[in-house]
Order: sequence, then C-alpha cells, then structure tokens
Amino acid sequence: DGGITQSPKYLFRKEGQNVTLSCEQNLNHDAMYWYRQDPGQGLRLIYYSQIVNDFQKGDIAEGYSVSREKKESFPLTVTSAQKNPTAFYLCASTPRERESAGELFFGEGSRLTVL
Amino acid sequence: GDSVTQMEGPVTLSEEAFLTINCTYTATGYPSLFWYVQYPGEGLQLLLKATKADDKGSNKGFEATYRKETTSFHLEKGSVQVSDSAVYFCALGPRAGGTSYGKLTFGQGTILTVHP
Repeated sequence: DGGITQSPKYLFRKEGQNVTLSCEQNLNHDAMYWYRQDPGQGLRLIYYSQIVNDFQKGDIAEGYSVSREKKESFPLTVTSAQKNPTAFYLCASTPRERESAGELFFGEGSRLTVL
Repeated sequence: GDSVTQMEGPVTLSEEAFLTINCTYTATGYPSLFWYVQYPGEGLQLLLKATKADDKGSNKGFEATYRKETTSFHLEKGSVQVSDSAVYFCALGPRAGGTSYGKLTFGQGTILTVHP
C-alpha cells in the first residue's frame, strides 16, 4: 500500500546524543516536511523540501538537520544542540500539484524521549 | 505573522450531541483553511478544507464555512459518534494557486472525547 512510513515509532535518547528519524514515502510526492508536535502547541514546521537535494528551514530549525538525497526519503537528525528535543515528530508529503493548496499527507509519527 | 486560535479543550460530549469547535485566524490576503484530524496513535489526516470566502467544506458529517468577515472557520457536526473521538486541528495555508509550498500554520488542537 502507498503511504508514508516513519521509524522508529518510539525512541529514547540520552542527553548529548544525536538521533536520526527516518521518513520514507512511496507516493511519488515531490515535497516533504517535518513538523514537531508538543502538547497544547499544535504543530510547528522544522524543515521542508520541495525537490531532491534542496531543503529550507521552517520556523524552528535550530538544533535539527535534514537531507534529501532521494525523492522518497527525508531523514531528520535531532542534534545535541536541540535544547528540548522530547516531542512527537511528524513527517508529511504532498504532490506538487497539491502543494500550494496545503493538502498534506502525514506519517504516523515518531515519539522521541530524552532521558 | 499568520496565526490560528482554537477553542480551549478538552471537549467531552455524549453520543449524538451537537459539536462546535471554534477556530479564528489572522492572516494577510486570502488563505486556504483546513481542518485536520488525528486519531489516537496516528498521524494527521485532512478532514475538510475551504479555499475562498463563503466556501463550505464538508466530510464525514463535519462541516465548516470560511467566514472572511469574522476570520473564522468553525467546525460543526450535528450528531457525534464515539468514533469521532480524536484531536482536531484547524490550519491556515497558502491561497489556492499560490506559491507558499504547503507551509501550514496550525492551531493548538482540540481534544474531543465522545462517550456512549
């Protein structure tokens, strides 16, 4: 079935460690996004990518990094520079023709907990 | 900048009750408006949308009307079911045909619990 797969679903990290969250889509979508969800704060955009080998910072990019080497993959690295990384991370994608309309397709999310 | 404000939750209703979740926004120009729903343990999925003033989005018995004069996009359903229990997010996005590339501004979410 076509969709967006995020892994791992749950991840624990010690302070000072970098971790990478995986996001893979087989929908042939052009654009991909990473959002962070915190209780009572809605979703905030971390990074987004419209095409391979190109990406832009969102509203809260500090302490995160991404790459887009393949159309179907958009991994997010949470670095030790991120001061408060415990959160639920959501990956999304959209085909180019829907991009300007804002219709996003989301994965099931990855919950990161820093111990 | 753009912003979205949703009514405070959580909202608890009995089955078959009427639902309203308020959403107001601040934006320049003519944004598109969305309601997304997140069921327990899942990602978000689009529930309905409206792209211009006075448009009504509808899906699965839910409705919302784009009111430019009051900058609102309230979500309503006439008779809720237990299966509607979820978190509902109002979102603001680029105007249809624009070039802001899918960047959405989300409200804080409203938790809805429906009891039998």
